[in-house]
Amino acid sequence: AQTVTQSQPEMSVQEAETVTLSCTYDTSESDYYLFWYKQPPSRQMILVIRQEAYKQQNATENRFSVNFQKAAKSFSLKISDSQLGDAAMYFCAYSGGANSKLTFGKGITLSVRP
Amino acid sequence: NAGVTQTPKFRVLKTGQSMTLLCAQDMNHEYMYWYRQDPGMGLRLIHYSVGEGTTAKGEVPDGYNVSRLKKQNFLLGLESAAPSQTSVYFCASSWGGDEQFFGPGTRLTVL
Repeated sequence: AQTVTQSQPEMSVQEAETVTLSCTYDTSESDYYLFWYKQPPSRQMILVIRQEAYKQQNATENRFSVNFQKAAKSFSLKISDSQLGDAAMYFCAYSGGANSKLTFGKGITLSVRP
Repeated sequence: NAGVTQTPKFRVLKTGQSMTLLCAQDMNHEYMYWYRQDPGMGLRLIHYSVGEGTTAKGEVPDGYNVSRLKKQNFLLGLESAAPSQTSVYFCASSWGGDEQFFGPGTRLTVL
């Protein structure tokens, strides 16, 4: 079974600084997707960024980028120029196999200091 | 487009009562999912469906039933609610193999 591990329950960053959120996963599949979802206090799940395993290039979306290390099964999220609106819970998730089920990590709460 | 909607947004039940949560999507997605979110546990898959008329068990299916009679709707039922089912419930849908789109969640409290 696939597992996703987010070992840091909380992190804090100064506004305008850079922060990296860690995620590791375990799978025997060769083709899969990895995601970072953001959950603000509104509870809505918002997709931040996704990575397809067969692509070697790391995904980027504006201030958000990933460091995807397939051999090490590591998928970290870097947030540059942190903003107050980035404060939220962030979930790393894996999707693979025929039914595309998502397996989530336990999440990390990110706070942004003004 | 409304995306994924969930009804109701909040509900309080007494132990032993039953209820049904409704999920609707207007994106013509084949795949639909029900998750529960508990503090420190992330989201865990309860049941899912890969098409109209099909359902399958996820990671934590006990105490829940589902039905997918119409492609756009996915119902989650609790026949006899227990305090352990106090949680936030999310519905999601997708084409399969890529991004899942989530509803706003339902906060359920079982007393």
